[in-house]
Amino acid sequence: GAGVSQSPRYKVAKRGQDVALRCDPISGHVSLFWYQQALGQGPEFLTYFQNEAQLDKSGLPSDRFFAERPEGSVSTLKIQRTQQEDSAVYLCASSLGPRPNTGELFFGEGSRLTVL
Amino acid sequence: AQSVSQHNHHVILSEAASLELGCNYSYGGTVNLFWYVQYPGQHLQLLLKYFSGDPLVKGIKGFEAEFIKSKFSFNLRKPSVQWSDTAEYFCAVNLGGGADGLTFGKGTHLIIQP
Repeated sequence: GAGVSQSPRYKVAKRGQDVALRCDPISGHVSLFWYQQALGQGPEFLTYFQNEAQLDKSGLPSDRFFAERPEGSVSTLKIQRTQQEDSAVYLCASSLGPRPNTGELFFGEGSRLTVL
Repeated sequence: AQSVSQHNHHVILSEAASLELGCNYSYGGTVNLFWYVQYPGQHLQLLLKYFSGDPLVKGIKGFEAEFIKSKFSFNLRKPSVQWSDTAEYFCAVNLGGGADGLTFGKGTHLIIQP
């Protein structure tokens, strides 16, 4: 597609539910990043994929967060047993090259998660 | 770990005013520096970036930024703002070599009054 596509755009979950957020990066982009943006804050790094390999997951806040990119294109961020503090906008970004990443990151519009 | 500090969280200007948004980072090594913009209802877009060379970088829509290594700063400027510049502006940094994801500042919400 023309840009990074994320779905759903909005998700309301009850505390304790599992959610899955999808990212469809720009075709051919090797690098894929997930960020979490809380209200009034800048995006914070969660995890990084180079093709299908998850090379950095140091930003994932707990073991309830899991990301995958099994075929090196579409990625899914899964949050198990959601908590209220998980409420945020989850941003996906992709870029053409692998690390070291000197290229531009292209961001999707984000998935806004609200946990009640 | 590196961090990014944006001095102003909210800025309100009139059209044609000059703009300068402050950004400081806290890493002493080689860094790559970025400014991203998020217009209302849209995704983050790259305004400009600095990797090396001329410390005065020009970006899209008349924006520019100056890298001052001695001050660990990368301030964003525009001589004359327009109403359409109303947006959220984020400064970001990654380590030289670009190993990992970007570290973002908290953002500056800029409102331009017509």
